[in-house]
Amino acid sequence: TQLLEQSPQFLSIQEGENLTVYCNSSSVFSSLQWYRQEPGEGPVLLVTVVTGGEVKKLKRLTFQFGDARKDSSLHITAAQPGDTGLYLCAGGRSNFGNEKLTFGTGTRLTIIP
Amino acid sequence: GAVVSQHPSRVICKSGTSVKIECRSLDFQATTMFWYRQFPKQSLMLMATSNEGSKATYEQGVEKDKFLINHASLTLSTLTVTSAHPEDSSFYICSARAFRDLVRNEQFFGPGTRLTVL
Repeated sequence: TQLLEQSPQFLSIQEGENLTVYCNSSSVFSSLQWYRQEPGEGPVLLVTVVTGGEVKKLKRLTFQFGDARKDSSLHITAAQPGDTGLYLCAGGRSNFGNEKLTFGTGTRLTIIP
Repeated sequence: GAVVSQHPSRVICKSGTSVKIECRSLDFQATTMFWYRQFPKQSLMLMATSNEGSKATYEQGVEKDKFLINHASLTLSTLTVTSAHPEDSSFYICSARAFRDLVRNEQFFGPGTRLTVL
């Protein structure tokens, strides 16, 4: 059962445009991470959010955790070709112990120069 | 910090042979490591959770006798695919949780191993 649904699944836009990727669940998570993965490589951690309503910015990327900690969004401003990749959200249910992460379905982003 | 390596990066083997993949945390100790499998254009599927000094916990549908996991130290976990067959061909990725990240529940990933079984 896939507990984290990402949308859109695929997105192809022109360089300079803005975009938003969504990560939704019916379950509450104690933390949520966003990763970016390039072909043939492992995912790279971009950000972690732990507080409902939390907003974090990483240069042109803005991440938000929903108030109820069931959803998250990633907004990219003025997309660049280097933003191309597979974006994965992942939720954790416990802050302590060996809790595994639940990964989202993924969003494959292509930025066209 | 938080660098995870995997070896080998790619391996091609004949059907019926066994393949061992190593996952190392280079600059931190990891009591818990995770093994994932990723099919083309899909998200990550957790195979098992590897705990240092104890038996691994396998996800439903993953054969523990097929995918042997050993977590012998705080910096090394190994995955052995036994009697590999073409359907085992995939991209295998490990991740490690650092002590300092127990609160934030973050995992750091290795670069992956591409396994091709002929």
